[in-house]
Amino acid sequence: DQQVKQNSPSLSVQEGRISILNCDYTNSMFDYFLWYKKYPAEGPTFLISISSIKDKNEDGRFTVFLNKSAKHLSLHIVPSQPGDSAVYFCAAHNFNKFYFGSGTKLNVKP
Amino acid sequence: DTAVSQTPKYLVTQMGNDKSIKCEQNLGHDTMYWYKQDSKKFLKIMFSYNNKELIINETVPNRFSPKSPDKAHLNLHINSLELGDSAVYFCASSAFPGTRETQYFGPGTRLLVL
Repeated sequence: DQQVKQNSPSLSVQEGRISILNCDYTNSMFDYFLWYKKYPAEGPTFLISISSIKDKNEDGRFTVFLNKSAKHLSLHIVPSQPGDSAVYFCAAHNFNKFYFGSGTKLNVKP
Repeated sequence: DTAVSQTPKYLVTQMGNDKSIKCEQNLGHDTMYWYKQDSKKFLKIMFSYNNKELIINETVPNRFSPKSPDKAHLNLHINSLELGDSAVYFCASSAFPGTRETQYFGPGTRLLVL
C-alpha cells in the first residue's frame, strides 16, 4: 500500500552525463512533491520541490518534472558530479503528512 | 552547530528491554516528527508534535510513546522491544505543521534488537 514508489534501487552514471531518477505515486490528492538527498550516516536533506500545479521546477543543475496524468515525477541532474553520489528520496505531501519512496542510490563515476 | 541531533546514533539491545531515543533541534521550529525507515528502506511517519502537542499519531504499537518536554525536544520511548523494531529512526523538524514546509532531518538512530 505504498503510495510513493521508486522502482529503481540504484543508478550508475558517468560524470558529466545526465542522471534521471524516477518516482511514481498513486494518490491524486498529493499537492506537493519533494526530493531529498541522503549521504551515508546522515539524515535526508532537502534538494528541490514542486507544487502539483506546476510541471517543472529548476534549481541550478537540478530539475524536477511532474506529469500528473501519469502520476510520475522525475529528477534530472545535469551535469552529474561525483559529489552527487547519494541516495535520493522522493516524497509527496497530503493532509499534513509526507509519504516517502524507498530511495534510489545514485553512483556518479569519475 | 547541528540543526537536528539525535542520541544515541547506534543502539543494540535485547528483546524485551525498554529504550529511549532523544532528539533536539536548535532551529526554533514548532513542529517535530519521528520517522521509521524499515528494512525495505521506506521512511514512514510515526508521530508529529506541534509546540508540544501531538498532531499525528500513525498506526504504531502503543509500546512506542513519544514525549515532548518542550518544542525543541521530542523523545521516543520504546517498551518491550521486539525484533521487528530493528530499524533506523529519524527525527525531523519543520517551521510549521500542515504545510509544505521543508523538513530537516537528524542523522538517524540505528536500532538493532537481538
